[in-house]
Amino acid sequence: GQQLNQSPQSMFIQEGEDVSMNCTSSSIFNTWLWYKQDPGEGPVLLIALYKAGELTSNGRLTAQFGITRKDSFLNISASIPSDVGIYFCAGREEGAQKLVFGQGTRLTINP
Amino acid sequence: SAVISQKPSRDICQRGTSLTIQCQVDSQVTMMFWYRQQPGQSLTLIATANQGSEATYESGFVIDKFPISRPNLTFSTLTVSNMSPEDSSIYLCSVGHLDNEKLFFGSGTQLSVL
Repeated sequence: GQQLNQSPQSMFIQEGEDVSMNCTSSSIFNTWLWYKQDPGEGPVLLIALYKAGELTSNGRLTAQFGITRKDSFLNISASIPSDVGIYFCAGREEGAQKLVFGQGTRLTINP
Repeated sequence: SAVISQKPSRDICQRGTSLTIQCQVDSQVTMMFWYRQQPGQSLTLIATANQGSEATYESGFVIDKFPISRPNLTFSTLTVSNMSPEDSSIYLCSVGHLDNEKLFFGSGTQLSVL
């Protein structure tokens, strides 16, 4: 089935640093979603993207829908300790109901 | 977003038994899905819970092992049958609307099978 390639798999950064992660697919998507999952919890939706080239922010988070419709990135500026967790990208091919998830990026922040 | 209540939050079960997980939403939703997240892994779709009819299962998942009910637009159950240690995972309920591309998740059920 469809696979999403999410990178990096893990990141170890200092508090205050900016973070960037991305997702690529082998086919064209019409929706990109970014989630954050804390231990013992379900994923929480951070940002939803629906159009190629769309750039959307949510506080210190910014995500973009790639113009080729095969990729998306998520940036976190000025990281803080509560940003620690696993970030997942998810996408949906045109006409499909099924949401496909990336493998996740585990973010660790050193104070 | 909808408020999604999933029960139990965790359980430890014996091999060969079955566990039913409940998902209750505070508003009517069009779509309900069940996902599995194995330790340290991403989310894998088990099935789409269809109201009033049989669930639609993804490749690798079958109704005998994961029977699903959805009697109305706010409630669904997933049963993990004849459990083995390989079934130890987090099981997640998710909901969405047909005309809205966003998908929201419950807090999950952490299942450990001994």
